[in-house]
This record gives sequence, C-alpha cells and structure tokens, in this order.
Amino acid sequence: DAKTTQPTSMDCAEGRAANLPCNHSTISGNEYVYWYRQIHSQGPQYIIHGLKNNETNEMASLIITEDRKSSTLILPHATLRDTAVYYCIVSATAGNNRKLIWGLGTSLAVNP
Amino acid sequence: NAGVTQTPKFRVLKTGQSMTLLCAQDMNHEYMYWYRQDPGMGLRLIHYSVGEGTTAKGEVPDGYNVSRLKKQNFLLGLESAAPSQTSVYFCASSYEAGTSGANVLTFGAGSRLTVL
Repeated sequence: DAKTTQPTSMDCAEGRAANLPCNHSTISGNEYVYWYRQIHSQGPQYIIHGLKNNETNEMASLIITEDRKSSTLILPHATLRDTAVYYCIVSATAGNNRKLIWGLGTSLAVNP
Repeated sequence: NAGVTQTPKFRVLKTGQSMTLLCAQDMNHEYMYWYRQDPGMGLRLIHYSVGEGTTAKGEVPDGYNVSRLKKQNFLLGLESAAPSQTSVYFCASSYEAGTSGANVLTFGAGSRLTVL
C-alpha cells in the first residue's frame, strides 16, 4: 500500500474550518484514501474515505486532487472535541488491511 | 449493537506471566486484527484473521499467539510476558468487501497492558 505524508501538528480556532492535508503521491488506481482519528488514547475512529470524487458526510469533507496524489480532510466547524490525532491512510481491499501503514498522523489542537 | 469490545481494559503482569486478551465483535465481520500502539510509533499489526478458524502473522507477531475459534471472537495470548510487551493493544474488525470496494476498520477501546 502507498505511504502517506502528513504534517506533525496543526492548530485551529474553535468554530473555524480545519483543513488537514495528506500527500500520497504513490497511490495506485485501486487504492482508497481513508481518514481516521484517535482521541486521547481511545480506539481510532473512522471518519471518511474516497476513491476519486470528493466526499462529504456528517463528520467531514474529503477533497481529493484530480491526480489523486494528495487530499485534504476538512472539518467545517471545528470544536474542542475534534482535538485528536488524524491519520490519513491509503489502501485497497479488505484483504490488504493487513498491510496498512499507520504513521504518526497529524495532531490537531482546536483552541477556544 | 456494541461494535468491538475488548476485555480487560487494564492489566498489570509480572515478567513471565501469561494472559489472554479477548476481542468480541457483533457486526458479523469476517476480518479481525490485533494491533499494538507504543509512544512515538504508529499502530503496528500483530496478528490478523480473515475468517473463523484462520489466523496469520502481522508485522510484529513474536511473543504473541492468537485464536479465532468463533467468528465473533479473536483472542490474543501472551505466553510469557516481557516488559517490551508493555503497550496499548487495540482490536479491530472489518467486513469482506470482495476483490474491489472500500473497507472500513472498527476499533475497540483498547487494553492497556503493563509488564513489570
């Protein structure tokens, strides 16, 4: 599975949009981009995923560039509860979950 | 619907003792995984299972054994605990999406193990 690059940390003001970038320049055509987050040592929580098109759900939006080499997770109105480590991962099918590379993610601090 | 449940949540062991961590999922997922997470490192896969009765080694399998006798349960065993196994352990499960299609991991809350 392709490797991803994320900034180590970011800050965001409460109520503003948080834009978390991820670089995955070696992504393959059948690999999805997944975002998870981990709040203070809890189990990681799924946020959103996408293949080619931009995606939106109740938690966030995912913007994938046309060449698919990078993406941005957008939390439209960040709250203090969004303070967490955010992981960007690329992977193909279920069978390849065993090959997932979990880096250190981006530590997002939402400030009052 | 509890999702993925791990027991125990906390445990302290002495070097050489044995123990078993239990992971249970009620989502009828085919795939189950055991990860460990250490400070300054990402999640690392210990063992995984692609179905009832099957297990396979992950990235860091040494010192651990697993069993999947029932589809809903995945057990992680430490036969002779070592201080290097002090960690937070996470279980996860996922469904089989076939040869294509997205797949999502559901994680448990974690089990914090300390080996003295």
